[in-house]
Amino acid sequence: DTGVSQDPRHKITKRGQNVTFRCDPISEHNRLYWYRQTLGQGPEFLTYFQNEAQLEKSRLLSDRFSAERPKGSFSTLEIQRTEQGDSAMYLCASSFRDRDGYTFGSGTRLTVV
Amino acid sequence: SQKIEQNSEALNIQEGKTATLTCNYTNYSPAYLQWYRQDPGRGPVFLLLIRENEKEKRKERLKVTFDTTLKQSLFHITASQPADSATYLCALMFSGGYNKLIFGAGTRLAVHP
Repeated sequence: DTGVSQDPRHKITKRGQNVTFRCDPISEHNRLYWYRQTLGQGPEFLTYFQNEAQLEKSRLLSDRFSAERPKGSFSTLEIQRTEQGDSAMYLCASSFRDRDGYTFGSGTRLTVV
Repeated sequence: SQKIEQNSEALNIQEGKTATLTCNYTNYSPAYLQWYRQDPGRGPVFLLLIRENEKEKRKERLKVTFDTTLKQSLFHITASQPADSATYLCALMFSGGYNKLIFGAGTRLAVHP
């Protein structure tokens, strides 16, 4: 297992377009998290899955954002009708237990032009 | 509101010295506090976890202290090296509820030869 994989690494899109990111967690990890990070800030929580169940979603997340984790394996994060303010690094992380540290992927950098 | 504070100014130290980074928090009752390292363009990397009933944790050249009365954690890197230069993130995990991490904005450490 090579860790948490995220695809694509970079995405440039025009305002108003839809984008989808993929995350493949470490296979033994049943917990999966999505975070967003902008320059000079720490990662900001977006949503959390335990197996296939989405257990929490940030109140900051608008209805344009949706995440899935079918079959409790990989996860996708979709942003509809992108806005310039959505430009950020989108990070995925996974963990096995709640007392473990997270393993992060390298992130997907989204630029909305 | 809940807040995690880390020094926003970069910490510059000489190689071989001990680097000390501070994390202060308000209005939390954390179950765990974690420290991560982040290099530019990469996802955070887990370093250490300390529980609310632990005062100190060590791992090789790293030491973390946790004072729940002061609501503060200190992160020390002894015998620092230029390769330790990175941004260091403090993160809290709540007791009760779901185990999502809340991150501080991080402190940039620069170790000079």
